Amino acid sequence: AQKVTQAQTEISVVEKEDVTLDCVYETRDTTYYLFWYKQPPSGELVFLIRRNSFDEQNEISGRYSWNFQKSTSSFNFTITASQVVDSAVYFCALSEVSGGGADGLTFGKGTHLIIQP
Amino acid sequence: GAGVSQSPSNKVTEKGKDVELRCDPISGHTALYWYRQSLGQGLEFLIYFQGNSAPDKSGLPSDRFSAERTGGSVSTLTIQRTQQEDSAVYLCASSLVRHYEQYFGPGTRLTVT
Repeated sequence: AQKVTQAQTEISVVEKEDVTLDCVYETRDTTYYLFWYKQPPSGELVFLIRRNSFDEQNEISGRYSWNFQKSTSSFNFTITASQVVDSAVYFCALSEVSGGGADGLTFGKGTHLIIQP
Repeated sequence: GAGVSQSPSNKVTEKGKDVELRCDPISGHTALYWYRQSLGQGLEFLIYFQGNSAPDKSGLPSDRFSAERTGGSVSTLTIQRTQQEDSAVYLCASSLVRHYEQYFGPGTRLTVT
């Protein structure tokens, strides 16, 4: 069965520091998608990125970057020069295309990121 | 454009009562999902609709839970004979097609007293 592990329950850094959120996944499927979502204090889940299992290219979007490594089953998320507005809970999620997995997203438990001014 | 909307935003009900939660997906999105978020269980997938049909209902926690989607648009999640353990935030999401990015609504906070 599919599983997503976010081992870091909470991370606290000072503004402008770089921070990396770890995500490790398990799946038997060869075709799958990985996602990151942000849940700010307001509560609504915000989509950040979707990656398919055949595309291991790293992605950068402004201060955000993602490192996908199939060899270690990891999909880590780095925020460069963190800002207070980045404070939120961040979820990593997995979607299997075949193999009888759940039809929806399998989420990790989330990492609560606190950026201190 | 308009995002996913859910109603009510908050619902307090007595144990044993039935509740209906509504989700209005983004227009044109064929895939619709229900999730539940609670402190103890995190984010759990409940059910997925492609059009009006739900291929797999095994994610629903018990037979007190049911869901339907009509006209390929609005969906209703019904919980019968609510129990205190049903207290959670119920989230709806939609995507253009399955496996594309899902956009979430603000959720319905259900409290069973």
